Amino acid sequence: EAQVTQNPRYLITVTGKKLTVTCSQNMNHEYMSWYRQDPGLGLRQIYYSMNVEVTDKGDVPEGYKVSRKEKRNFPLILESPSPNQTSLYFCASSLSPTTYEQYFGPGTRLTVT
Amino acid sequence: KNQVEQSPQSLIILEGKNCTLQCNYTVSPFSNLRWYKQDTGRGPVSLTIMTFSENTKSNGRYTATLDADTKQSSLHITASQLSDSASYICVVSVGMIKAAGNKLTFGGGTRVLVKP
Repeated sequence: EAQVTQNPRYLITVTGKKLTVTCSQNMNHEYMSWYRQDPGLGLRQIYYSMNVEVTDKGDVPEGYKVSRKEKRNFPLILESPSPNQTSLYFCASSLSPTTYEQYFGPGTRLTVT
Repeated sequence: KNQVEQSPQSLIILEGKNCTLQCNYTVSPFSNLRWYKQDTGRGPVSLTIMTFSENTKSNGRYTATLDADTKQSSLHITASQLSDSASYICVVSVGMIKAAGNKLTFGGGTRVLVKP
């Protein structure tokens, strides 16, 4: 089954404790991206990647890091999480930015206290 | 600044009725415009994508239109069903010349509630 998986689905952590949210897709997609969704603000793009070792900033990259060492994986790293990073995070992938079948993961709800 | 604005923020319609959602954007350079459906607590699902040269595209009971001159798009839902209750998000892709590719700008969404 074609899918994007994220782990963990739910996470409660404390300020400053480094964490990684994993994202994996099994569709051999080149394009992957991360978003955060907050009430009243909608979805905002954090980072995206056109291919292995090619990443670029989205609209809200501050406080986040990503890596793309393998085509299928695109982890999101929070080196020193802060409460303002409490949000619902989505990973997505597609064959290309112009392909409409952009598949989203199930989401990761992160709470930073 | 690239922006995507959607209206209304929310609407309630009776099952079987039609409705139209609006999306206005100020994005340059424009690459494509997408509509997504997002059920509560789940990831968005693509409905349509239109490039500059396309005026309309349908996906079942969903029909999207695009006027690139006025930078407006609409999503029309025909014969609404209870399962249409969701948020609908308009997304515009910014075309970039460099190899790193496109960025996406999301609208705030329209929350649709279909009542029996």
